[in-house]
Amino acid sequence: GESVGLHLPTLSVQEGDNSIINCAYSNSASDYFIWYKQESGKGPQFIIDIRSNMDKRQGQRVTVLLNKTVKHLSLQIAATQPGDSAVYFCAENMGSGNTPLVFGKGTRLSVIA
Amino acid sequence: DAGVTQSPTHLIKTRGQQVTLRCSPKSGHDTVSWYQQALGQGPQFIFQYYEEEERQRGNFPDRFSGHQFPNYSSELNVNALLLGDSALYLCASSRELKQETQYFGPGTRLLVL
Repeated sequence: GESVGLHLPTLSVQEGDNSIINCAYSNSASDYFIWYKQESGKGPQFIIDIRSNMDKRQGQRVTVLLNKTVKHLSLQIAATQPGDSAVYFCAENMGSGNTPLVFGKGTRLSVIA
Repeated sequence: DAGVTQSPTHLIKTRGQQVTLRCSPKSGHDTVSWYQQALGQGPQFIFQYYEEEERQRGNFPDRFSGHQFPNYSSELNVNALLLGDSALYLCASSRELKQETQYFGPGTRLLVL
């Protein structure tokens, strides 16, 4: 079936560098995408979202890029900090935020001080 | 403004037993969704409650049932527990009319022995 997936299961970056976490989705009907951060022992924390009528959205130190042509989503974290170490999930759904979220397996980001 | 809360934080049960997990949504939210997250995996949608009724359901057996109360809080019940039910159970809340994303609680870690 269609699902959200991730290119890389682990990513190690030096503190202060920029991080890029990638995600591929296969459901062409999906029109809303969200990035979550999950620290050990905690629930997923909302980072940033983007709708399919946009190709870029910026937050504080984070940017999400959406390429609908190749069904690709990325999360860019600027000036990565030790506190950014966590597992990052992309999730998709169709329509409103109340439809079920489909998650991938996640990417573990490790920040080297 | 309280976020999503869940109880208990941890739980140990034996095979065949029954368990009830509880969730209080974020203030102002009226929709509750439950997810199961196995170790090393992304969350999987179980079901969603709105107006005290189950509105959508994922691919989970009917051993998994739920309830939503008039104050929007919710319970997840699992009967005849199996070893494979060991997981982190996450509750997410959202507002139906706002069409915003779902916000997650810290989860309940269930271990079935």
